[in-house]
Amino acid sequence: NAGVTQTPKFRILKIGQSMTLQCTQDMNHNYMYWYRQDPGMGLKLIYYSVGAGITDKGEVPNGYNVSRSTTEDFPLRLELAAPSQTSVYFCASSRGGIVGYTFGSGTRLTVV
Amino acid sequence: DQQVKQNSPSLSVQEGRISILNCDYTNSMFDYFLWYKKYPAEGPTFLISISSIKDKNEDGRFTVFLNKSAKHLSLHIVPSQPGDSAVYFCAASAGRDDKIIFGKGTRLHILP
Repeated sequence: NAGVTQTPKFRILKIGQSMTLQCTQDMNHNYMYWYRQDPGMGLKLIYYSVGAGITDKGEVPNGYNVSRSTTEDFPLRLELAAPSQTSVYFCASSRGGIVGYTFGSGTRLTVV
Repeated sequence: DQQVKQNSPSLSVQEGRISILNCDYTNSMFDYFLWYKKYPAEGPTFLISISSIKDKNEDGRFTVFLNKSAKHLSLHIVPSQPGDSAVYFCAASAGRDDKIIFGKGTRLHILP
């Protein structure tokens, strides 16, 4: 049982480039989330989804897009990378309710 | 505007002694509180939670205390062990199915 898998683990982007952070879960969870963690800061919610085809904005959605075409996958898209998007990104899932969040191991993104 | 505040960025405690991590919140709508633990290069993992209808919840060496009138909660770890060295995030939600808001975290060092 892999849980929540994030790829890649590390990435360096140039300003203006685009990329997709992948997140997949094999627990049949309906709820999925994307958080970012800046140095010395807590986790900020970027986007979340309560089921396939449904997404909604979190606290810091600007500069990002998401889609949820399947229960398993919840990719996060950066269209025009900016240095302010340098962060560690965590994907999480739950079957519903807040206690059962399972986090992936994160993607460390640097924009130069 | 930080809704969940962890004012101590770091804490050092001798092995075998009690570790007390503190957390304050501002949103009176929060009614569910959680603590997550995070090791380097890993995602956060759920540790313990408490509902606002309780003032204490215990799970082995971990106890969370909630003081609603002061909008304050604390995590007690006793006895502290080397494996407890990690970053601890306090988090809160305005309902069991609502989004989680995280604090900035406290880095706990257990000294030999």
